[in-house]
Amino acid sequence: LAKTTQPISMDSYEGQEVNITCSHNNIATNDYITWYQQFPSQGPRFIIQGYKTKVTNEVASLFIPADRKSSTLSLPRVSLSDTAVYYCLVGDYSSASKIIFGSGTRLSIRP
Amino acid sequence: DADVTQTPRNRITKTGKRIMLECSQTKGHDRMYWYRQDPGLGLRLIYYSFDVKDINKGEISDGYSVSRQAQAKFSLSLESAIPNQTALYFCATSDPGQNEKLFFGSGTQLSVL
Repeated sequence: LAKTTQPISMDSYEGQEVNITCSHNNIATNDYITWYQQFPSQGPRFIIQGYKTKVTNEVASLFIPADRKSSTLSLPRVSLSDTAVYYCLVGDYSSASKIIFGSGTRLSIRP
Repeated sequence: DADVTQTPRNRITKTGKRIMLECSQTKGHDRMYWYRQDPGLGLRLIYYSFDVKDINKGEISDGYSVSRQAQAKFSLSLESAIPNQTALYFCATSDPGQNEKLFFGSGTQLSVL
């Protein structure tokens, strides 16, 4: 199982772009990279998933370099409501039972 | 996700009591999961089920049991609750056709006194 390393916490301000990087040096060929967002007392919510290069949706972008040993979640123009914990997960998505949640990155957005 | 409903939302119980947490889903997914989250930590997998006849232990199954009553229902039981089982419990579903994207309920905050 690929282990991920991400910063424990980050601070930013409203309107800024926030980039959260995740390291996953032993990612396997079949592994995907997925990011979840969790607000206090709520279940995690899927943000974005990718395998390689760049993926963009209405919420975020995910940048994955060619060696796939890291990935960067990019949140454009954050607002106070983006304050949450962000989890980077790596796994063979044949089964979510193989997915390990780390402690995540606690993102705090200030006015 | 409103499609995954957990009951109760909050529960306070005493040491030694039996308690059941329930989860129902309308997403039509075969795969369901129970996770536990302690303050400041990530989620840990307790049990999971790939279909009605399938039950599997996760990372921290000791002290817990589950029942998959139907495709839509997956319950978690604590046979004899203890204080270190105080935590936030989440039920989730997934669909292999969507790269196992997990859909979570709103959680049950359980306190064991």
